[in-house]
Amino acid sequence: AQSVTQLDSQVPVFEEAPVELRCNYSSSVSVYLFWYVQYPNQGLQLLLKYLSGSTLVKGINGFEAEFNKSQTSFHLRKPSVHISDTAEYFCAVSDGGGGADGLTFGKGTHLIIQP
Amino acid sequence: DVKVTQSSRYLVKRTGEKVFLECVQDMDHENMFWYRQDPGLGLRLIYFSYDVKMKEKGDIPEGYSVSREKKERFSLILESASTNQTSMYLCASSLRSSPLHFGNGTRLTVT
Repeated sequence: AQSVTQLDSQVPVFEEAPVELRCNYSSSVSVYLFWYVQYPNQGLQLLLKYLSGSTLVKGINGFEAEFNKSQTSFHLRKPSVHISDTAEYFCAVSDGGGGADGLTFGKGTHLIIQP
Repeated sequence: DVKVTQSSRYLVKRTGEKVFLECVQDMDHENMFWYRQDPGLGLRLIYFSYDVKMKEKGDIPEGYSVSREKKERFSLILESASTNQTSMYLCASSLRSSPLHFGNGTRLTVT
């Protein structure tokens, strides 16, 4: 069975500072990894995904993530955050490409941007 | 752009009522999903469907059922609502193995 651990439930960061949101997963098979963002009162929006190929994945809004198989991690980074990045971020894993059988989600990390 | 529409943003129901949550997608996706989202617990999969009239249990199906009579519509049914079903419900759809597209959610309160 798959599982996802997001190590921080809240991450406060000053505006224009860099940020890293941590995600570790466990799976016995090949995995597909995703980061979703949820702005207040909205559904989830895909930020980026790793299916295969380059381990450094670039997504929308200046975010990127690095797949590290040996560490079973998929941490999300942004070099300089903006107040509009305040949101809940979810890491998710699938062994079926994400669409075949749904996703297993972490519990979420609330990114709080301080002016 | 894919649009997943959940018919209600907010619902308030009484304990014991039968509740229907409706979800419609406009991109001919085969797969549709219902999740519930609770603080500190993330998203948990209730049911999903690969095709019309097909359904599969997710991680927390107890107290719920689903219906998929048409490809674009996936309904979540609470046969007898209870207070522990107060939650945010998120519908999603996908095409084969592509990433999920989510609706904006229905916040259900059971009193």
